[in-house]
Amino acid sequence: TQLLEQSPQFLSIQEGENLTVYCNSSSVFSSLQWYRQEPGEGPVLLVTVVTGGEVKKLKRLTFQFGDARKDSSLHITAAQPGDTGLYLCAGAGNTGNQFYFGTGTSLTVIP
Amino acid sequence: DTGVSQDPRHKITKRGQNVTFRCDPISEHNRLYWYRQTLGQGPEFLTYFQNEAQLEKSRLLSDRFSAERPKGSFSTLEIQRTEQGDSAMYLCASSLRYSGRHEQFFGPGTRLTVL
Repeated sequence: TQLLEQSPQFLSIQEGENLTVYCNSSSVFSSLQWYRQEPGEGPVLLVTVVTGGEVKKLKRLTFQFGDARKDSSLHITAAQPGDTGLYLCAGAGNTGNQFYFGTGTSLTVIP
Repeated sequence: DTGVSQDPRHKITKRGQNVTFRCDPISEHNRLYWYRQTLGQGPEFLTYFQNEAQLEKSRLLSDRFSAERPKGSFSTLEIQRTEQGDSAMYLCASSLRYSGRHEQFFGPGTRLTVL
C-alpha cells in the first residue's frame, strides 16, 4: 500500500514550459518534504512544508501544502534542462520515526 | 563534515555471499534511517535508529538483513546470503530529533548488484 501517490509518473516537456507535480494521500502528515534525485545519487532535499496552506518559493519552484496537510504540489515555471530528475515527496508522521515516500515523478526537460 | 557519507558506492557480489555497507551520518544528527530503492521507485523504509537504539524495522526486512549503530554514530547494514532480488540502491539518511520539521538528509547511496 502506497501512502503517497504522485502524478504524473512521467513528464517530458520542452525547455521554457511550466509544469505541476501532485502528491496526494488520505493520511495527515506533520510535515512534507520534496526531494530531487539524479541517477546514481541520493535524494537532495528541496523544501519542507509544515503548516496547512503553506506556500514556499525556491527560485522558479513553488511548493504548496494542502490545507488539511494531506497533499502537496510542486510547480516549476519556465523549466530548464537542469530541472531534469526524479522528484519525490515524503511525508513525516508526528514523531518523525518514519517517512513515507511517494511513487516519484520522473521529469525530462528537453533543450 | 559536509553531509551523509556511504561506503562503498558500488558493490557487485555473487548470490549467497554476505555484504556489509557503512553509513556515516551528519555528526550532530541522532536519527539514522536505512532505505532501499529500486529503479524508478521511491525509497522504501527499512529501519530506523535513534542514537544506538534500533526503534523500528519494516516488515520488508527479512531475517537476512541486520543493522547496527553501536555507538550512536556510524551504522552498518549487513545482508547475509544475498539473493538477486536484493539488487537495489541502499540509501542512508540522518536527521535531528529535536527538529520539529523532521527533515532527512540523504547520503549518495550504495548500489548493490547480486549476480
